Amino acid sequence: QKEVEQNSGPLSVPEGAIASLNCTYSDRGSQSFFWYRQYSGKSPELIMSIYSNGDKEDGRFTAQLNKASQYVSLLIRDSQPSDSATYLCAVNSGGYQKVTFGTGTKLQVIP
Amino acid sequence: DVKVTQSSRYLVKRTGEKVFLECVQDMDHENMFWYRQDPGLGLRLIYFSYDVKMKEKGDIPEGYSVSREKKERFSLILESASTNQTSMYLCASSFPLSSSSYEQYFGPGTRLTVT
Repeated sequence: QKEVEQNSGPLSVPEGAIASLNCTYSDRGSQSFFWYRQYSGKSPELIMSIYSNGDKEDGRFTAQLNKASQYVSLLIRDSQPSDSATYLCAVNSGGYQKVTFGTGTKLQVIP
Repeated sequence: DVKVTQSSRYLVKRTGEKVFLECVQDMDHENMFWYRQDPGLGLRLIYFSYDVKMKEKGDIPEGYSVSREKKERFSLILESASTNQTSMYLCASSFPLSSSSYEQYFGPGTRLTVT
């Protein structure tokens, strides 16, 4: 079983819609959760971090964490074509500096 | 702003060559990492370092070594390049926000082709 799982997509949404990206993880001891955005040919860019259950909002982005169900999600409101990218979920198990990355979900926002 | 730089964006090497990839960060971060990224396999950790001269193997260290002589610089060495080491190589650095939270910041990546 993969430690961090994401649907590879592509997830296609129309411009202006809400994009919902999901991630599940296997280590119940995980304490920190991150979302990275990666444009084609570029390196990952950190866009959201979340550490406690519930929602965390930053502009058009909302990260949601449910430790009991071991999932974390990213909502992108008012999706724009410029949001088209691969979104990587990353999980950090407490006590170590390493994070484990999912393989990413490709998002396509259709104008 | 965190700045992580890598020595080359694109590199072409021949099989059997020794290859050096360099990474420099300017934020006094303690932790530095080397990943490779391949389609369908995601990011895989090769080595990381949590202090000068300290290193730990990641998930796929075979065929690679690393060097960290100064805090800001972390080098990845391919001892004898092989075609299966053709990949995108990404360096990252991180600092502790708390005892359990380390946000990682990536350099621009080096696309290495071994022919």
